[in-house]
Amino acid sequence: GQNIDQPTEMTATEGAIVQINCTYQTSGFNGLFWYQQHAGEAPTFLSYNVLDGLEEKGRFSSFLSRSKGYSYLLLKELQMKDSASYLCAVMDSNYQLIWGAGTKLIIKP
Amino acid sequence: ETGVTQTPRHLVMGMTNKKSLKCEQHLGHNAMYWYKQSAKKPLELMFVYNFKEQTENNSVPSRFSPECPNSSHLFLHLHTLQPEDSALYLCASSQDGGTSGSDEQFFGPGTRLTVL
Repeated sequence: GQNIDQPTEMTATEGAIVQINCTYQTSGFNGLFWYQQHAGEAPTFLSYNVLDGLEEKGRFSSFLSRSKGYSYLLLKELQMKDSASYLCAVMDSNYQLIWGAGTKLIIKP
Repeated sequence: ETGVTQTPRHLVMGMTNKKSLKCEQHLGHNAMYWYKQSAKKPLELMFVYNFKEQTENNSVPSRFSPECPNSSHLFLHLHTLQPEDSALYLCASSQDGGTSGSDEQFFGPGTRLTVL
């Protein structure tokens, strides 16, 4: 079966750095997405990786290793507004998105 | 504001009621999706429409009935629901309908459904 694993919850301190991991086992691979979802709001797109390596976008970076079935989202200089759930999703060989259950990130002052 | 709107935002209904959820996208996309989101569970894809044609139906019970009159509007008709159907129902749209890897989905804010 297809499976996406990510931690259920993480806590970090304002101003610090946090890394949210995602491992996947899917039938085929056509890219990996990270979305951010604030409580009661729509998920919004953060990043897309299809090749191995690091993609940097401001305070957020996303890394992919296809051989290891592994990705992480790195958030730097954490702000209180970064408190949200972070969803990892993989597009399989049928171009269907397979979703993880999300990681709830709690930022403390 | 993602360009995808959903109404109503909150809905409480009894098991014998009939109601409809509405989704509208203002992005000129060709594909629209219905997802169910339950607490601490992955997003569950329910239905996919590409160019108004249904291309996915992931074994969803018949008490959920989708309708896509045009590429900008999507409805989910609900009847004789069960309490376990209580969840957040999200609508999304994308440009290519999942025919390219980078086909980003844009989500609406969802309808929080409670079935009594």
